[in-house]
Amino acid sequence: QQQVKQSPQSLIVQKGGISIINCAYENTAFDYFPWYQQFPGKGPALLIAIRPDVSEKKEGRFTISFNKSAKQFSLHIMDSQPGDSATYFCAASSNDYKLSFGAGTTVTVRA
Amino acid sequence: GAGVSQSPSNKVTEKGKDVELRCDPISGHTALYWYRQRLGQGLEFLIYFQGNSAPDKSGLPSDRFSAERTGESVSTLTIQRTQQEDSAVYLCASSLRRLLGVQYRHEQFFGPGTRLTVL
Repeated sequence: QQQVKQSPQSLIVQKGGISIINCAYENTAFDYFPWYQQFPGKGPALLIAIRPDVSEKKEGRFTISFNKSAKQFSLHIMDSQPGDSATYFCAASSNDYKLSFGAGTTVTVRA
Repeated sequence: GAGVSQSPSNKVTEKGKDVELRCDPISGHTALYWYRQRLGQGLEFLIYFQGNSAPDKSGLPSDRFSAERTGESVSTLTIQRTQQEDSAVYLCASSLRRLLGVQYRHEQFFGPGTRLTVL
């Protein structure tokens, strides 16, 4: 079964708006939570990652929020741009190599 | 430098035939992974190679799937007697174990994938 549940499946946002993607997990052994960005025809690329001892991490317009007690984490894309249109995957890991991926969210930013 | 490359980019085959997919990792990366990505779904872990250690094959869905890696270079994923449900994009990634914050993790770099269609 899927160890990481991701929602929504897709979203459309206007340029300049905020895109929010949510993920939930059950395995309390997970201790590393990366997000990947994938453009059509390309492999996923690491975007940003967080550890469970941190509640928020920001890199440019991308912010991860982490709620350990709720076993949820989310990606916020601020000031969304058309170039952010892509599929985003959350993932989680309990060892140093094996990642469990969410099903992905396709983000479309309308100009 | 060069990223992870995969070949072929597209493969169409008939049900029951065998296929071989190739991955060239980033030079110097000790770890290599294969994933399967079905349409509209997340990445499904298949197999992991780390140096000369025994591979983690726990994600291979059946004994029709196998993979080999020569040293720390090229890997091939072989699917025997292909079925229609094997149709997917097969992604390869390579990584180097490094300190990310306070944890050792593998930052995985993905290739563009091979799109396999089984008719």
